[in-house]
Amino acid sequence: EIVLTQSPATLSLSPGERATLSCRASQGVGSYLAWYQQRPGQAPRLLMYAASNRATGIPARFSGSGSGTDFTLTISSLEPEDFAVYYCQQRSDWPRTFGQGTKLEIK
Amino acid sequence: EVQLLESGGGLVQPGGSLRLSCAASGFNFNNYAMSWVRQAPGKGLEWVSTINYSGSNTYYRDSVKGRFTISRDNSKNTLYLQMNSLRAEDTAVYYCAKELETCCYFDYWGQGTLVTVSS
Repeated sequence: EIVLTQSPATLSLSPGERATLSCRASQGVGSYLAWYQQRPGQAPRLLMYAASNRATGIPARFSGSGSGTDFTLTISSLEPEDFAVYYCQQRSDWPRTFGQGTKLEIK
Repeated sequence: EVQLLESGGGLVQPGGSLRLSCAASGFNFNNYAMSWVRQAPGKGLEWVSTINYSGSNTYYRDSVKGRFTISRDNSKNTLYLQMNSLRAEDTAVYYCAKELETCCYFDYWGQGTLVTVSS
């Protein structure tokens, strides 16, 4: 099973700041990685897929990069609604696996 | 507008069974793979099972193989998860999720249905 390790576990930033979230895979997954946002009490929302493609309706302040084992989600300038938990997910192999999540909180 | 509406969750004793349903609308259901993803209380996301567009191929995580069965009725635009021999560790919110056309990422999610396994 491919293990995805996200860091940091918690990131404390202020609105307007830049956020950089990391996801590392235990083995190469090519570009087969997605990012999701989950706000409290809500279902997850797809942000990025295939490492660097924004999903429909996702603002341009979100961007993704990486390939192989190391991936990054960047939020260029944080809006109040961006404070949430973020998960990465790989589709390179079965079982599909998620990272443990990074909580982005208001500083 | 894509909508996914889960139902069938509830409280069940260990060893019991439940059948979850997910009613889909707003897209051509029989063109897309569908999945179930769960989230234990206060925990992260865990993929459970996937079924391809026609129902001919199914996939499960090891911990539910032989106990859970995913199926679909394309004439009713409905996805199912039959869960047998339930364990305490199956307690979670179960989400129905539609996959992207390009495969294997979950672009739409339902609001989830809570399954609690407890005596």
